[in-house]
Amino acid sequence: RKEVEQDPGPFNVPEGATVAFNCTYSNSASQSFFWYRQDCRKEPKLLMSVYSSGNEDGRFTAQLNRASQYISLLIRDSKLSDSATYLCVVTLRRSNYQLIWGAGTKLIIKP
Amino acid sequence: SAVISQKPSRDICQRGTSLTIQCQVDSQVTMMFWYRQQPGQSLTLIATANQGSEATYESGFVIDKFPISRPNLTFSTLTVSNMSPEDSSIYLCSAILQGDYGYTFGSGTRLTVV
Repeated sequence: RKEVEQDPGPFNVPEGATVAFNCTYSNSASQSFFWYRQDCRKEPKLLMSVYSSGNEDGRFTAQLNRASQYISLLIRDSKLSDSATYLCVVTLRRSNYQLIWGAGTKLIIKP
Repeated sequence: SAVISQKPSRDICQRGTSLTIQCQVDSQVTMMFWYRQQPGQSLTLIATANQGSEATYESGFVIDKFPISRPNLTFSTLTVSNMSPEDSSIYLCSAILQGDYGYTFGSGTRLTVV
């Protein structure tokens, strides 16, 4: 079983729709959680950290469920520019800066 | 967050040769890392670049193949040695500032070995 698992997609979504995808992690000792965005042929860029209480940044909402060991990303009112691969990332301990990456979920927003 | 300049952005190399990739960060960073990303795959950590000492390599990666230098807090190099077509990939450096859990990445080096 992979340490971090994501549905690879692609998710084909019409512009303006709401889309959500999850990421599950296997190690209950996981401490920090992030969503990164990677555009085609570009480097990953931090989209948002995921906090235990859940957090929102504009159209993006991230949530953490420690009991079920998954994090989620919700995108409202999707834009064409949201098309990208979304990577789920966890770290095991607060003192360990090494990241464990999911393989990513590809999102395609269609006009 | 830090800004990382990575070069070269791409290269096509003959098998058996070596390529050195450089990353320059615009501020002093706590940690620097080197990743590899195969087409359609997620990132795989090669090693942690330690300032002034030998890098810490992940399983499956060795110093002879991927020597790394980090002479100061803002600069690191990764060399891909004795290249074969299997080394064709995107190589990315990343850095994290102290107390900041967000990582910043260089723009990547797209390597093709022929």
